[in-house]
Amino acid sequence: AQTVTQSQPEMSVQEAETVTLSCTYDTSESDYYLFWYKQPPSRQMILVIRQEAYKQQNATENRFSVNFQKAAKSFSLKISDSQLGDAAMYFCAYRSSDSNYQLIWGAGTKLIIKP
Amino acid sequence: GAGVSQSPSNKVTEKGKDVELRCDPISGHTALYWYRQSLGQGLEFLIYFQGNSAPDKSGLPSDRFSAERTGGSVSTLTIQRTQQEDSAVYLCASSRTYSGNTIYFGEGSWLTVV
Repeated sequence: AQTVTQSQPEMSVQEAETVTLSCTYDTSESDYYLFWYKQPPSRQMILVIRQEAYKQQNATENRFSVNFQKAAKSFSLKISDSQLGDAAMYFCAYRSSDSNYQLIWGAGTKLIIKP
Repeated sequence: GAGVSQSPSNKVTEKGKDVELRCDPISGHTALYWYRQSLGQGLEFLIYFQGNSAPDKSGLPSDRFSAERTGGSVSTLTIQRTQQEDSAVYLCASSRTYSGNTIYFGEGSWLTVV
């Protein structure tokens, strides 16, 4: 069975600096999707970035980018120029590419932004 | 609609009462998901709908939990005879299809059983 591990329960960063959140996963599949979701106090899960395993190029979305290391089964999220609005819980999630619809979730990392 | 809509946003109920939580998915999304998130925890899968049918109900914690979806759109999650351990945020999500597409979440219904 697939598992997702986020080893950092909490991270803090100074505003405008860069922070990296780590995520590792375990799977025997070769094709799958990986996601980072952000959950602010409003509770809504907001998709931050998505990576298809068959793509070697790391996904980027403005200040957010990932370091996808397929062989190492690592999927870290880098947030550049951190802003106060980035403060939230960040969840890493795995999804198989076939009809397995379930997302496998990490436990989350709480990101604190220091002004 | 523009996003996944859930109601009520917050619900406080007495132990033993029944509650209904509603989810209105993004228009055109055929797949709908219910998750539960206890305080400080990750997401726990409850049930998934493809159209009006629920191929997998294995995540429902007990027979007090049920869900239905009508017209391939709105879904209702019902919890009968609520218990204090049912207190959690219930998140609904939808996706265009069930395979390989991004899942979009609502803001959740925060249930407190007292």
